[in-house]
Amino acid sequence: NAGVTQTPKFRVLKTGQSMTLLCAQDMNHEYMYWYRQDPGMGLRLIHYSVGEGTTAKGEVPDGYNVSRLKKQNFLLGLESAAPSQTSVYFCASSDPTYNSPLHFGNGTRLTVT
Amino acid sequence: QQQVKQSPQSLIVQKGGIPIINCAYENTAFDYFPWYQQFPGKGPALLIAIRPDVSEKKEGRFTISFNKSAKQFSLHIMDSQPGDSATYFCAASRGGTYKYIFGTGTRLKVLA
Repeated sequence: NAGVTQTPKFRVLKTGQSMTLLCAQDMNHEYMYWYRQDPGMGLRLIHYSVGEGTTAKGEVPDGYNVSRLKKQNFLLGLESAAPSQTSVYFCASSDPTYNSPLHFGNGTRLTVT
Repeated sequence: QQQVKQSPQSLIVQKGGIPIINCAYENTAFDYFPWYQQFPGKGPALLIAIRPDVSEKKEGRFTISFNKSAKQFSLHIMDSQPGDSATYFCAASRGGTYKYIFGTGTRLKVLA
């Protein structure tokens, strides 16, 4: 049982390049999330999804897009990377039950030069 | 009003000590307060959680104390061990939203 799997683990981009971060979960969870973690800022929600085919904006959505074409996958896209997007990105999933805990992947460390 | 303020930013204790991490919130609509533990290179994982209808919850060496009137809650780690060295995040959520607001994290180091 893999839980939440994120690929890639590390990536370096030049300013203006694009990329997609992949997240897959095998727990049949309805809800999926993308967070970014920055020193002194904690975890901030970028986008989330409450089911296949749905997405919604979180606290810091600018510069990112997401898609949830399949229940088990949640993709995070950067169309034109900026140095301010240098961060560690975490995907998480949860059940739709009340106060269901978040299950996190091990993160993707992205550096934009 | 959506913030959760966490302190201290970092903490160093000797083995066997009792580190205490504090969090404060403003939004009285929050009704669930979990703590997550994160080891280097890993994602956060749920450690312990509390609802505001109780003032304390214990799970093993970890205890949450909750003060509803002060809008504060804290994590205590009894008999701390070097293996407890990690970053700890408090969080808060409002029932039905399934979205969590996280504190800024506390990096704990327990010396052997």
